[in-house]
Amino acid sequence: QSALTQPASVSGSPGQSITISCTGTSSDVVSRNRVSWYQQHPGKAPKFIIYDVNKRPSGVSNRFSGSKSGNTASLTISGLQPEDEADYYCCSYAGSPYVFGTGTKVNVL
Amino acid sequence: QVQLVQSGAEVEEPEASVKVSCQASGYTFTNYYMHWVRQAPGQGLEWMGIINPSRGNTNYAQKFRGRITMTSDTSTSTVYMELSSLTSDDTAVYYCAREPIDACYFDYWGQGTLVTVSS
Repeated sequence: QSALTQPASVSGSPGQSITISCTGTSSDVVSRNRVSWYQQHPGKAPKFIIYDVNKRPSGVSNRFSGSKSGNTASLTISGLQPEDEADYYCCSYAGSPYVFGTGTKVNVL
Repeated sequence: QVQLVQSGAEVEEPEASVKVSCQASGYTFTNYYMHWVRQAPGQGLEWMGIINPSRGNTNYAQKFRGRITMTSDTSTSTVYMELSSLTSDDTAVYYCAREPIDACYFDYWGQGTLVTVSS
């Protein structure tokens, strides 16, 4: 199963909104609505921020939101803050294997 | 509070095996699946496999089948991941990650264990 495709980097200024895409190579990969997103700061373990495409776990800022269209899932960060500078990974359950995205570096200018 | 505490860094020679542990606390160990995910230096996340700690049944990524073994010890709430026939490509940080049963996401992660393969 190939990795999900994400842009290598996305940049934005504080207060702006940015969107990270996550595209599967087949409609099967993302179509199951089992898409989750993870934030990873350098040297740290990933942190769970979105599940089932658009649901936020307790304690996660409502500045993070998820959506999906066709075989592309997206993560939007609104009101960008300096602490949002990190790597972000999508993940989809594609039957037996779990597939991660290639990862996106978010830069806060 | 939920905690997943992994064993310390390892340095192994090529062709050797490594066994990494992940001890869980703060929840009912047998009510959640556990996964292993690795991350090579400067690279992305790679799913390796899943274990149901209650039954011990496993499912491994095709890439690792034949040289990975995941086990669980319910008496100590610990899962183990053993990887054999190591090469330099296996140099990575290895994470355990918890999944609520059939949830298809990882809600808690261990702190990671660096495995370095070098002669």
